[in-house]
Amino acid sequence: KQEVTQIPAALSVPEGENLVLNCSFTDSAIYNLQWFRQDPGKGLTSLLLIQSSQREQTSGRLNASLDKSSGRSTLYIAASQPGDSATYLCAALMNRDDKIIFGKGTRLHILP
Amino acid sequence: DAGVIQSPRHEVTEMGQEVTLRCKPISGHDYLFWYRQTMMRGLELLIYFNNNVPIDDSGMPEDRFSAKMPNASFSTLKIQPSEPRDSAVYFCASSTRQRPYEQYFGPGTRLTVT
Repeated sequence: KQEVTQIPAALSVPEGENLVLNCSFTDSAIYNLQWFRQDPGKGLTSLLLIQSSQREQTSGRLNASLDKSSGRSTLYIAASQPGDSATYLCAALMNRDDKIIFGKGTRLHILP
Repeated sequence: DAGVIQSPRHEVTEMGQEVTLRCKPISGHDYLFWYRQTMMRGLELLIYFNNNVPIDDSGMPEDRFSAKMPNASFSTLKIQPSEPRDSAVYFCASSTRQRPYEQYFGPGTRLTVT
């Protein structure tokens, strides 16, 4: 059974710093890996999607990487801003049954 | 487009009552997903539809839960009878056939069962 884990559960970082959020998964038979952002009281917003054949995707200050062999993905945020404060979730889409498995998220707080 | 619309935004009900959550997907989207989010279990997929047809309902926790999509612009998730452990935030999301994994989420319905 696929398990998606995000550690730490919460993170506080001073504004302007670069940071990395981690996502690990136990079953490497994934179709893709997505990173989402969730603001308090809101739904999820898709940030980046990495296909299993890709190694990374970039959007603005965000860069997501994928290493299937080690079962890891990272989300790199450059020059963090207070507006980046949110919960970030990763989700793996499984090959065998098209099920999407979410991590529980990392709650990020950027200190002004 | 207004995005995915869910109603109500908040629902408080007593154990044993029937609860109906509603969702209007983005116009033109082919897929509709229902999720449940709790602190303990995180975000879980309950069921999804393709062109109004339920494709996978293996995430529906038990027979008390049912979902329908009578047309392309409306879906309901019903819990009957409700129990305190059903308390959670329920999200609806939709996506297109061309990009099925780019899901657009609604704001969610926070359900509290007392």
